[in-house]
Amino acid sequence: AQTVTQSQPEMSVQEAETVTLSCTYDTSENNYYLFWYKQPPSRQMILVIRQEAYKQQNATENRFSVNFQKAAKSFSLKISDSQLGDTAMYFCAFMKHGTSGSRLTFGEGTQLTVNP
Amino acid sequence: DTAVSQTPKYLVTQMGNDKSIKCEQNLGHDTMYWYKQDSKKFLKIMFSYNNKELIINETVPNRFSPKSPDKAHLNLHINSLELGDSAVYFCASSPRSGMNTEAFFGQGTRLTVV
Repeated sequence: AQTVTQSQPEMSVQEAETVTLSCTYDTSENNYYLFWYKQPPSRQMILVIRQEAYKQQNATENRFSVNFQKAAKSFSLKISDSQLGDTAMYFCAFMKHGTSGSRLTFGEGTQLTVNP
Repeated sequence: DTAVSQTPKYLVTQMGNDKSIKCEQNLGHDTMYWYKQDSKKFLKIMFSYNNKELIINETVPNRFSPKSPDKAHLNLHINSLELGDSAVYFCASSPRSGMNTEAFFGQGTRLTVV
């Protein structure tokens, strides 16, 4: 079974600064997907960024980028130029596809607070 | 159009009652899920269906019964509600395979059992 671990329950950062959220996972699979989802107080789950395991290049989406280390099974999220609207719970997630369907497993979450 | 919609958004009910939460997706996805988010915000998978077939059934009391009439719908019925069932329940869907895969979530149903 896959497990996802986020070791930082809470983090804070000053507006306009950079912050990195950590995530590690455990799997014996070779092909899978990794995600960071954001959950603001509205509780809507919003996809921030996606990484396919077969791609060596780290994914980037505007101010959001990842450091994907497949051998180390590490998938950290870097947020540059932090904005107040980035305040949210961030979840790291692992997905694998199988012949009988897909499975999506989440980490425990990191509550990020951006301070003015 | 909302990709994944679940109703109701809020549900307050008394212990012992039976209630249902409905979920529909218009994305053509094969896989649908139910997750429970507890007070510590942990998202725990409860069930997963692939094309109307139950794939994942985690350790969930049998008071919880999912029903998938077709691959666009996955409803959750809960019998004999208990205080510990209070949580936010999320429905989600994802494609079975392919590039650019991601899971889409409904807006969540906050269930409060009193």
